[in-house]
Amino acid sequence: GENVEQHPSTLSVQEGDSAVIKCTYSDSASNYFPWYKQELGKGPQLIIDIRSNVGEKKDQRIAVTLNKTAKHFSLHITETQPEDSAVYFCAASRGYQKVTFGIGTKLQVIP
Amino acid sequence: KAGVTQTPRYLIKTRGQQVTLSCSPISGHRSVSWYQQTPGQGLQFLFEYFSETQRNKGNFPGRFSGRQFSNSRSEMNVSTLELGDSALYLCASSLEDSPLNTEAFFGQGTRLTVV
Repeated sequence: GENVEQHPSTLSVQEGDSAVIKCTYSDSASNYFPWYKQELGKGPQLIIDIRSNVGEKKDQRIAVTLNKTAKHFSLHITETQPEDSAVYFCAASRGYQKVTFGIGTKLQVIP
Repeated sequence: KAGVTQTPRYLIKTRGQQVTLSCSPISGHRSVSWYQQTPGQGLQFLFEYFSETQRNKGNFPGRFSGRQFSNSRSEMNVSTLELGDSALYLCASSLEDSPLNTEAFFGQGTRLTVV
């Protein structure tokens, strides 16, 4: 089955700096890569996703890159703000198949 | 549009008992997935239902089961509870009217504590 590795497990950045979270996946057939943000006491919320036919996608301060050859994808958050503090999960799936999540990254933005 | 609703939010059960959790998906969504979230294991996939049929299953023992009704609402059941079943159980729904429409929307979860 699919295996998704995510790192780092924790990340502290100063407000205004950038944060990068990296993930690798094992199933070359995976074609959908969502990123979720989970705040305390809430369920994960989709923040951005990318499909295998695209190498990069950007939404305001958030961007995701995908390298299919190397089977890794990354989340980039620029100009971080305190409200970006949360746990971030990467995930991978193919078509309608089950979504496999990374272990999560706890991001702390220090004001 | 109402989001994914999970009930109850919190539950305390004794070892050996059984429990049923409920999930109401977003209106129109036909796929419902269940996940177990624990600090050490992260989000682990339990199973996924689509149009009342279990379409995918994770690596959990047979004590974990689920079903989906004709209105897409889903329930999951855990029998003979063990201490290790203490976790946040998350439900997610997605439209899935095509392979390109798989965005999952999560509920707030049910926090199950087994004592």
